[in-house]
Amino acid sequence: ETGVTQSPTHLIKTRGQQVTLRCSSQSGHNTVSWYQQALGQGPQFIFQYYREEENGRGNFPPRFSGLQFPNYSSELNVNALELDDSALYLCASSYSGVQETQYFGPGTRLLVL
Amino acid sequence: AQKVTQAQTEISVVEKEDVTLDCVYETRDTTYYLFWYKQPPSGELVFLIRRNSFDEQNEISGRYSWNFQKSTSSFNFTITASQVVDSAVYFCALRRYNNNDMRFGAGTRLTVKP
Repeated sequence: ETGVTQSPTHLIKTRGQQVTLRCSSQSGHNTVSWYQQALGQGPQFIFQYYREEENGRGNFPPRFSGLQFPNYSSELNVNALELDDSALYLCASSYSGVQETQYFGPGTRLLVL
Repeated sequence: AQKVTQAQTEISVVEKEDVTLDCVYETRDTTYYLFWYKQPPSGELVFLIRRNSFDEQNEISGRYSWNFQKSTSSFNFTITASQVVDSAVYFCALRRYNNNDMRFGAGTRLTVKP
């Protein structure tokens, strides 16, 4: 069974740029959730994708957007990067939406200069 | 409002000591889920346990045990005979029934010294 994978592992961008992070869900899982974890804090829910549609969103601005593909993999896009976007971005997969346990990937560390 | 409080920011113990990590939650819902995750230095969140609000049975898994008490809105986690490999940040999380927004506490950093 393949676990959740994310790419890249690390990324450095400058303020104002755009970034795309990628996530492959665990085998058999069709739901992907994205979280932002600032240094020293717990993860914060960004949004969830189920059946290629956004299925709930946390308190994040529209410049955070996402996609889910037919193979259930997902992308997180962040436009107009700000310094405060520097964080660990975690992807979690689960089976069939909200009721199931989420399993996390290793994360992508984004640094915005 | 959904909120999780982990009052212990950091705990340091010596190997083989028992340690309890506290978690207090707030919710107005009657049905919800509670979780514990472990985050080692590599960054990946490792799932440890999920508990449904209607199941107050305590659980033991090897050296790990969990005490869920709805009356005090607490879901505490105990590691018995701690080991150096238990060193990590531990997060407690709350999710409402039929809702995908999982709320995490700020985490407790556990250091187990040899």
